[in-house]
Amino acid sequence: EPEVTQTPSHQVTQMGQEVILRCVPISNHLYFYWYRQILGQKVEFLVSFYNNEISEKSEIFDDQFSVERPDGSNFTLKIRSTKLEDSAMYFCASSDSTPATNEKLFFGSGTQLSVL
Amino acid sequence: AQRVTQPEKLLSVFKGAPVELKCNYSYSGSPELFWYVQYSRQRLQLLLRHISRESIKGFTADLNKGETSFHLKKPFAQEEDSAMYYCALRRIYNQGGKLIFGQGTELSVKP
Repeated sequence: EPEVTQTPSHQVTQMGQEVILRCVPISNHLYFYWYRQILGQKVEFLVSFYNNEISEKSEIFDDQFSVERPDGSNFTLKIRSTKLEDSAMYFCASSDSTPATNEKLFFGSGTQLSVL
Repeated sequence: AQRVTQPEKLLSVFKGAPVELKCNYSYSGSPELFWYVQYSRQRLQLLLRHISRESIKGFTADLNKGETSFHLKKPFAQEEDSAMYYCALRRIYNQGGKLIFGQGTELSVKP
């Protein structure tokens, strides 16, 4: 079965530094997402992306965050100036555009971001 | 407010015992409910969705709109069912829409 690929699996950075988390969604999928999970807390929606633009974003997704699909395969999440509270597991997900009753999200294995 | 509540952080049962993982939700519109599962060292994956009315790996879940619940059940638990289970919702037929997750329940099935 095709998979969503995320790199790196672990990222350690200093507070204030920029990080880019990378994802390769499943090739024929058209909807892309970032979620995150702070240790011990819920999986939280960050942003969804469709047709080369953000379709929805949460309150968490402030000006420090941005997403990009630089080519036909990658989908990146950039945090411009990381804060301690950005430490979390970040999940990328994708889904296809078949009728809504068949849609399901495919998740990547996550990138564990640690901000020191 | 849109919210999914899973009251149990950990549920521990013996193999062969029935299992019920509770999920309650609060949502102003018409929700679509899901159960996602994460086995050890694996990725989050869809287990089942209420619209499909299917049974996956012996698990079923019925949407009870009166009680705003979507409990996950299995009559006879197996050791391989041990995993983290997340209840989630989104607006119905909202293709590409965000999922709202519960806190998750860790199911531990002992031999």
